Amino acid sequence: GAVVSQHPSRVICKSGTSVKIECRSLDFQATTMFWYRQFPKKSLMLMATSNEGSKATYEQGVEKDKFLINHASLTLSTLTVTSAHPEDSSFYICSASGGAEYGYTFGSGTRLTVV
Amino acid sequence: LAKTTQPISMDSYEGQEVNITCSHNNIATNDYITWYQQFPSQGPRFIIQGYKTKVTNEVASLFIPADRKSSTLSLPRVSLSDTAVYYCLVGGGSARQLTFGSGTQLTVLP
Repeated sequence: GAVVSQHPSRVICKSGTSVKIECRSLDFQATTMFWYRQFPKKSLMLMATSNEGSKATYEQGVEKDKFLINHASLTLSTLTVTSAHPEDSSFYICSASGGAEYGYTFGSGTRLTVV
Repeated sequence: LAKTTQPISMDSYEGQEVNITCSHNNIATNDYITWYQQFPSQGPRFIIQGYKTKVTNEVASLFIPADRKSSTLSLPRVSLSDTAVYYCLVGGGSARQLTFGSGTQLTVLP
């Protein structure tokens, strides 16, 4: 149990375009999901907390207008990288909690490359 | 937020037991200790979680001393496929409190 599905696994986009990443909890409901970013050889950095039915909470230094988060249902959160630039190229990972016994389950990640 | 300190890297050989220790001196009373494994270009995978003493599951054991200021992840008889980064996280129930440290790169050699 406690499976989180993330799509796409990798995407290449042109500079200036927007990219949407989906995060779904497959066998549980998640009122809260979390988005991380990870640069090569670095650790995960929490970007924002996605709250179902309300606004996301962003970590300090994360631009809310650039990284749009929508959590419209109990099983789906989306992260849209707007007007992407090469410096936004990174590995984006979502997570949710399926219960205390499972800890926080992470998606498989999305490799974004902006060219 | 409780900060964690782990060795940057460790090497081991196949079949050996590996122990990775994490320091978390300012752990709070309601904080749990959770370990994750991450392979390149994949999301972290939950390994084990504990609050005190010893926890064991089918893949690892977690040892936590009485003062809870450190914890040790024990991997029995590692194989090449255990080569990964291992993260120790300390938190009390909100991912905002789950801060990823630098992790430990474990390399298992043949």
